[in-house]
Amino acid sequence: GAVVSQHPSRVICKSGTSVKIECRSLDFQATTMFWYRQFPKQSLMLMATSNEGSKATYEQGVEKDKFLINHASLTLSTLTVTSAHPEDSSFYICSARGKGDTEAFFGQGTRLTVV
Amino acid sequence: GQNIDQPTEMTATEGAIVQINCTYQTSGFNGLFWYQQHAGEAPTFLSYNVLDGLEEKGRFSSFLSRSKGYSYLLLKELQMKDSASYLCAVVDSNYQLIWGAGTKLIIKP
Repeated sequence: GAVVSQHPSRVICKSGTSVKIECRSLDFQATTMFWYRQFPKQSLMLMATSNEGSKATYEQGVEKDKFLINHASLTLSTLTVTSAHPEDSSFYICSARGKGDTEAFFGQGTRLTVV
Repeated sequence: GQNIDQPTEMTATEGAIVQINCTYQTSGFNGLFWYQQHAGEAPTFLSYNVLDGLEEKGRFSSFLSRSKGYSYLLLKELQMKDSASYLCAVVDSNYQLIWGAGTKLIIKP
């Protein structure tokens, strides 16, 4: 299958700082990228969907000014958690889908801990 | 609304067979995925069904009945490494993935 690389895999940051998470499709063009958040023992929760060159579409309840998503190229999307707080501590996962594809491929996930 | 139901937790014995069910009510249907997720890791793809019937892939099989809004994942010859959460996800009419809450499978020796 296609490869999606997500970086970093783990990050610890201080409350009030910002953290950027990168998601790269290594061997295909990702026209659509999805960003998920997963709290312990819960399922994936879709945060936003981004199409290359367009503004991201955020799910209800997700603050777009806090979770900045950029999808400037067909191989890279970034999620920036701004002014992070301890309650933002979670597992963040991206997935990428090529044009016309049904399956989306997952990155490895990023464990964010805000202290 | 859209809804995916699967059991929260199941327990099975090493070497045995277990069936994890998933029922769904979604706006449209363009396929159903099963993913395996170990704690602290991203989900990994197991199967994709878009037509009715059984798809077999090694120890894992997945079944779909679109008329019943029902799927199951069958795991045979269970191994300890199969202890994980199993996520059912449906592709709706907008080609968005609708996720179930996942079934935590516990394998006992």
